Amino acid sequence: GNSVTQMEGPVTLSEEAFLTINCTYTATGYPSLFWYVQYPGEGLQLLLKATKADDKGSNKGFEATYRKETTSFHLEKGSVQVSDSAVYFCALRMKTSYDKVIFGPGTSLSVIP
Amino acid sequence: EAGVTQFPSHSVIEKGQTVTLRCDPISGHDNLYWYRRVMGKEIKFLLHFVKESKQDESGMPNNRFLAERTGGTYSTLKVQPAELEDSGVYFCASSQDVRQETQYFGPGTRLLVL
Repeated sequence: GNSVTQMEGPVTLSEEAFLTINCTYTATGYPSLFWYVQYPGEGLQLLLKATKADDKGSNKGFEATYRKETTSFHLEKGSVQVSDSAVYFCALRMKTSYDKVIFGPGTSLSVIP
Repeated sequence: EAGVTQFPSHSVIEKGQTVTLRCDPISGHDNLYWYRRVMGKEIKFLLHFVKESKQDESGMPNNRFLAERTGGTYSTLKVQPAELEDSGVYFCASSQDVRQETQYFGPGTRLLVL
């Protein structure tokens, strides 16, 4: 079935460090891909998305590129801030089903000053 | 525009008791989804309403879980009787059109079964 795998956390970085959170997916067909973020005490928020191969999603300094050849959607940010501390979820949604979002297990990020 | 709201934010109950979670979607959103994250694992789909009808309930774990959406507005998810493994965070999401890419999530209800 369709699934999402992401790197195990927790990840701890110093402020201004470079961030990469790896995400790969398995899908029968061509999904839309998402990164969601959950800040402490808050709900899930859509961070960015990409709907087709080679699309790049970006928001708040974060970027991810839809790589069909490697079935990946890695999240990157050039310089993290303390306020980026959160749990990050990679996810996919099949265009043919239009219903459920399939999530990865989440990666907890802590940024220290 | 108000976002998706969920009530309560936290619930602590004993095994065997009943708990009812509520979700109010964004006004005008016909599609309502329930998800849950158990034991720090991945967030898993439970079911999908289109208005008051259950479109897909393939993720419901067993018959101790009952979801309703009377009138096609807010939804409730009842767990009866609750078991220890039901502990986790229950999220609700809504979207206006089923083809809309983005589902808007609520803050979640944190359920702890002792």
